[in-house]
Amino acid sequence: AQKITQTQPGMFVQEKEAVTLDCTYDTSDPSYGLFWYKQPSSGEMIFLIYQGSYDQQNATEGRYSLNFQKARKSANLVISASQLGDSAMYFCAMTLSGSARQLTFGSGTQLTVLP
Amino acid sequence: DSGVTQTPKHLITATGQRVTLRCSPRSGDLSVYWYQQSLDQGLQFLIQYYNGEERAKGNILERFSAQQFPDLHSELNLSSLELGDSALYFCASSPPGLEKLFFGSGTQLSVL
Repeated sequence: AQKITQTQPGMFVQEKEAVTLDCTYDTSDPSYGLFWYKQPSSGEMIFLIYQGSYDQQNATEGRYSLNFQKARKSANLVISASQLGDSAMYFCAMTLSGSARQLTFGSGTQLTVLP
Repeated sequence: DSGVTQTPKHLITATGQRVTLRCSPRSGDLSVYWYQQSLDQGLQFLIQYYNGEERAKGNILERFSAQQFPDLHSELNLSSLELGDSALYFCASSPPGLEKLFFGSGTQLSVL
């Protein structure tokens, strides 16, 4: 079975600085997908970025980039130029091939951006 | 706005009762997924439907059931409710060929 580990329960970052949120995963399946979602205090889940296991380049979406290190089984999220609105819970998740989009989530990291 | 609609936003009920949560997926999306977010279990996949048929089951209790109707909306039925069923229940849908799940804003269930 697959597993996602997020070891940082909480993180603080100064506004306009970059921050890295850690995520490691465990699976023996060679084909998988990795996701990051943002959950603000209002509760909704917002898709941020996706990385496929066979993608050669790291995914980027605006200020978000995914630092994918396959050998280390890590998929860290990098947020550049943090904004106050980035304060939220961030979840790393994965799917396996053939399992459609049945996501397995990590426990999340609460990010607080300081003015 | 993700385009996935969930109703109601909040639900307060008593132990032993039965409730129905409703979800309308994004226009054109055939797949619907249900997830539960609780303090002790985190976010867990419950069940998936595709075009009216059950496709996959996750950690869904036998007291819980779901269905997807011909108009593609879905309902999650929770019965014999227990205090531990209190959670945020999300519905999500996905477009074919796109590796992305769009989540609704959730239904917060409180069992008293």
